[in-house]
Amino acid sequence: TQLLEQSPQFLSIQEGENLTVYCNSSSVFSSLQWYRQEPGEGPVLLVTVVTGGEVKKLKRLTFQFGDARKDSSLHITAAQPGDTGLYLCAVLSSNTGKLIFGQGTTLQVKP
Amino acid sequence: KAGVTQTPRYLIKTRGQQVTLSCSPISGHRSVSWYQQTPGQGLQFLFEYFSETQRNKGNFPGRFSGRQFSNSRSEMNVSTLELGDSALYLCASSRTGGSSGNTIYFGEGSWLTVV
Repeated sequence: TQLLEQSPQFLSIQEGENLTVYCNSSSVFSSLQWYRQEPGEGPVLLVTVVTGGEVKKLKRLTFQFGDARKDSSLHITAAQPGDTGLYLCAVLSSNTGKLIFGQGTTLQVKP
Repeated sequence: KAGVTQTPRYLIKTRGQQVTLSCSPISGHRSVSWYQQTPGQGLQFLFEYFSETQRNKGNFPGRFSGRQFSNSRSEMNVSTLELGDSALYLCASSRTGGSSGNTIYFGEGSWLTVV
């Protein structure tokens, strides 16, 4: 059983469309992170959300942490081909550098 | 500043052989973690080293091992390679590895193909 369930697993959309990716769990977390991984590269941290109900914006990306700190969402407005990649949610385990990742959402934005 | 550097980027090995992958963390970072990424299992934690000590270990067989040197550089070794070990191996570094305020940076990975 995955600690973090991401949905959808795959998403193929046209440039200009909006989309939302979800990261759900039955566990409560002190914080949650979102990463983007482009082909041939390692994941890059986009944002860390800490407070229940918190909303953070990064240009056209909006991240929300659920009120109960069990789930999170990533919304992209007016997607562009440069947004193509694998989006991963992750949580830090205890006090070590161990990240637990969701399975990821592969996003393809077609021009 | 220089990022996390992993070598080699690509390699092909035969079943039964062993392989050593290298990782140079960002200067000043003392925590180095290793992850295996496959299409089926996603990103899975292998182990983490801090100040030359293994601090945490994932659920992988003993064929997977690692070490960290005094300059924080790290190596991971996989012995008796199996076809299922084909994966992207990612190294990540951070200052201390622990808190949510401590950004973790990933290298570009080493692509291992076992034939």
